[in-house]
Amino acid sequence: NAGVMQNPRHLVRRRGQEARLRCSPMKGHSHVYWYRQLPEEGLKFMVYLQKENIIDESGMPKERFSAEFPKEGPSILRIQQVVRGDSAAYFCASSGRGGDTDTQYFGPGTRLTVL
Amino acid sequence: TQLLEQSPQFLSIQEGENLTVYCNSSSVFSSLQWYRQEPGEGPVLLVTVVTGGEVKKLKRLTFQFGDARKDSSLHITAAQPGDTGLYLCAGGLSTNAGKSTFGDGTTLTVKP
Repeated sequence: NAGVMQNPRHLVRRRGQEARLRCSPMKGHSHVYWYRQLPEEGLKFMVYLQKENIIDESGMPKERFSAEFPKEGPSILRIQQVVRGDSAAYFCASSGRGGDTDTQYFGPGTRLTVL
Repeated sequence: TQLLEQSPQFLSIQEGENLTVYCNSSSVFSSLQWYRQEPGEGPVLLVTVVTGGEVKKLKRLTFQFGDARKDSSLHITAAQPGDTGLYLCAGGLSTNAGKSTFGDGTTLTVKP
């Protein structure tokens, strides 16, 4: 009963380093979404991907952030030259069909701390 | 501007009390989900509603989707300490297919 897997669960980086966050969707799901959450706030959409395609990246910062979902392997959210303001919990979700009526299932998140 | 407004933002009650939390918008949603999130964990899906006026029950939790599909409520009967958590509503818009819009959540604390 493998759900959405994310690793690492906790990541500490110094300012200027790179952070790589991984997400393996639920078995059979081909739609992946990344969200960011600050303490005591809701989730803010970042990017929606299907295999080898970025469908909607309207929530991604224009610089330093990128995401991919290759044909094989997990989806990767990459943050280059991290700054303290990048510290947050990053959640990945997956769904089977995509679209506005499909339900997204979430992973446990990666908590990024930038020193 | 927050597309989905959740209220109240914080709620602290005694065990055994009833409560209702709300999720409101001026937009029409194709579907709406309620999630519960505990500290340090990801959101866990409670329910999905898609039909205007729909009511779903999950043990002591009752979910209602407004007739116009712009709002929803979550009612908990006889709350227990295990209900403590952050309750999030999320909606799917036909114009933003694939992207869920989240409210900022209601933080519920149930005291023994």
